Amino acid sequence: DTAVSQTPKYLVTQMGNDKSIKCEQNLGHDTMYWYKQDSKKFLKIMFSYNNKELIINETVPNRFSPKSPDKAHLNLHINSLELGDSAVYFCASSHRPSNVLTFGAGSRLTVL
Amino acid sequence: QKEVEQDPGPLSVPEGAIVSLNCTYSNSAFQYFMWYRQYSRKGPELLMYTYSSGNKEDGRFTAQVDKSSKYISLFIRDSQPSDSATYLCAMRNNNAGNMLTFGGGTRLMVKP
Repeated sequence: DTAVSQTPKYLVTQMGNDKSIKCEQNLGHDTMYWYKQDSKKFLKIMFSYNNKELIINETVPNRFSPKSPDKAHLNLHINSLELGDSAVYFCASSHRPSNVLTFGAGSRLTVL
Repeated sequence: QKEVEQDPGPLSVPEGAIVSLNCTYSNSAFQYFMWYRQYSRKGPELLMYTYSSGNKEDGRFTAQVDKSSKYISLFIRDSQPSDSATYLCAMRNNNAGNMLTFGGGTRLMVKP
């Protein structure tokens, strides 16, 4: 029943590893996003994917790569993890780029 | 200086109080103004949004936008313990990839 679901919810890993977070939405939305929320609660857009068009936030290191096999899925792959990547990553979706985003519950990544 | 500034709190009020939450911003191109509510360990959920200046009311919640002062507010009347959450303001213009820019959130605690 969950509208936007992310897996895993928690991820603890070592520096230098590669990891992926998966996101799926069953709302029929055509736009999906990845946001990063740091320890101070700032939510920063990382990527937006609309009808196969990827909009990249230029401040995101190229170690982060989104992959969208179809409109209902947007996965996030992270190479060579660093300590500063520790954060909560939120997936969201909407009808077209919009003010009304539906967020997932978040994936808490801890890099040791 | 961040594009959107928000006092992180925490703001602690007794049940029944009127709560005022505020954000200031620097980008005069913002046209859409949103308030999201985030409970602990959950994703943000949209509470209200307004276009341009003015007020909007929804039950106990009132959103105000003053574009001339670059200042937005969310008022909560008759606050309840269930209102305890982090409130994030968000803004968007029609450019910049239609992406939302979030404030850092204000943590609100309503004590019974």
